[in-house]
Order: sequence, then structure tokens, then C-alpha cells
Amino acid sequence: EAGVTQFPSHSVIEKGQTVTLRCDPISGHDNLYWYRRVMGKEIKFLLHFVKESKQDESGMPNNRFLAERTGGTYSTLKVQPAELEDSGVYFCASSPTRTPNTGELFFGEGSRLTVL
Amino acid sequence: AQSVTQLDSHVSVSEGTPVLLRCNYSSSYSPSLFWYVQHPNKGLQLLLKYTSAATLVKGINGFEAEFKKSETSFHLTKPSAHMSDAAEYFCVVSLLPGGATNKLIFGTGTLLAVQP
Repeated sequence: EAGVTQFPSHSVIEKGQTVTLRCDPISGHDNLYWYRRVMGKEIKFLLHFVKESKQDESGMPNNRFLAERTGGTYSTLKVQPAELEDSGVYFCASSPTRTPNTGELFFGEGSRLTVL
Repeated sequence: AQSVTQLDSHVSVSEGTPVLLRCNYSSSYSPSLFWYVQHPNKGLQLLLKYTSAATLVKGINGFEAEFKKSETSFHLTKPSAHMSDAAEYFCVVSLLPGGATNKLIFGTGTLLAVQP
């Protein structure tokens, strides 16, 4: 079974440019999450999709960030325009909907974003 | 509010010696606690989880953790370190009771180095 895959693994862009990160969850997982780790800080929740619907986007830092999950399969996270403080590693995770909820998330390897 | 504190940012042990990675939590109710591990260039992987069953939790690769409510701790241990254990370890608490949501709160991580 394929795991969570993220693309690109590393992106280097100039301040003001746009970057789109993609996440393919494990097949059949309704839940998809984005987390972010800024350098030297803890990993923080950004948002949660259930299928194509945004369940919780309380962690999105500002309106320069746009997440989509059209069709309830893969998801994209767009940063436009990128700022220096957006640099970090963006993790995607997925989980199935089941009872009881085991609490386990399956994480991808992360997309490292560097904004110069 | 829920939070976790990892007391050591770096731990170095010799191969074959015990490992202790410390974690204290804060929660207004009985928490669900997890340890995740990230090996270099890999995704985050669940090591073990506590969800109010047995207080001593066994995980993969010989790791275990003990939930101590009186000390608000959830330290991760392993009797004998292996070179392959070198990685970053994250103590994590679930935001809602029973791990009902996968909105996780991460500690800042402990980097474990294993010396030959």
C-alpha cells in the first residue's frame, strides 16, 4: 500500500512568488491534514479536510494560504505571495474514518519550502 | 488547554545503553498521548499511543512509555539503543478527549544521537 506522498520535496522561491504544494493521501482515507514546522519551532496544525470539505482551518496563518481538496482525493496548498516567514517544512497526513478512532495519522515526508 | 513539553532538545547515548526521552503534558482532561518518530528524509511514524487503557504502553522497535498522571509525564524509554534509533522524536497530545480529533499538539522534538 502506497503511503502519503508529497510533492515537491523541496522548493526554493523568491519572496513574492507563488508555490503550490501537493499531497496524495493513502487511498481511501477521508481525512487529510496539513501541518507545518517553521525552523526551530514545533509542528503546528494548519487544517483538516474530511473528503472535500474543510472541517477545521483554524491553524491557517493568513489569507495568503489556500488549501483545496477537489474531489476528495489529493490536496494542494498554495502560498501566494510567499513571505520569508513561510519557510519551513509542510507535512501532510491522512487517516481513515473508523470507530474507534485510533488517533493515528499517517504522515508524508514533508515538503521543505525555502523563501529567499 | 492541552500542551506538551519535551525537556531535552538533544539526547546522546551510546549504542547498547538505555534511552530516556522526557515529556510532560498539560491537559484539562484525561489526554490521549502519542510518540512519533521522524528518521532522516522520512515521514513521521507513530511509535506508540496512550488512550486511557494500560498506563505502560509498548510500541514498535522496543520502545515503551509510561503514563504517570501524578507526574503529568509520558516519558519514552528503550532498554538498549541501536544505531538505527537515531532520529527525532516528538511527544504529541490530542486536542480533544479520547483522541476524537486528529488535531494534534506537538512538542518541540528531541533529537536522539546514538554513538557507536
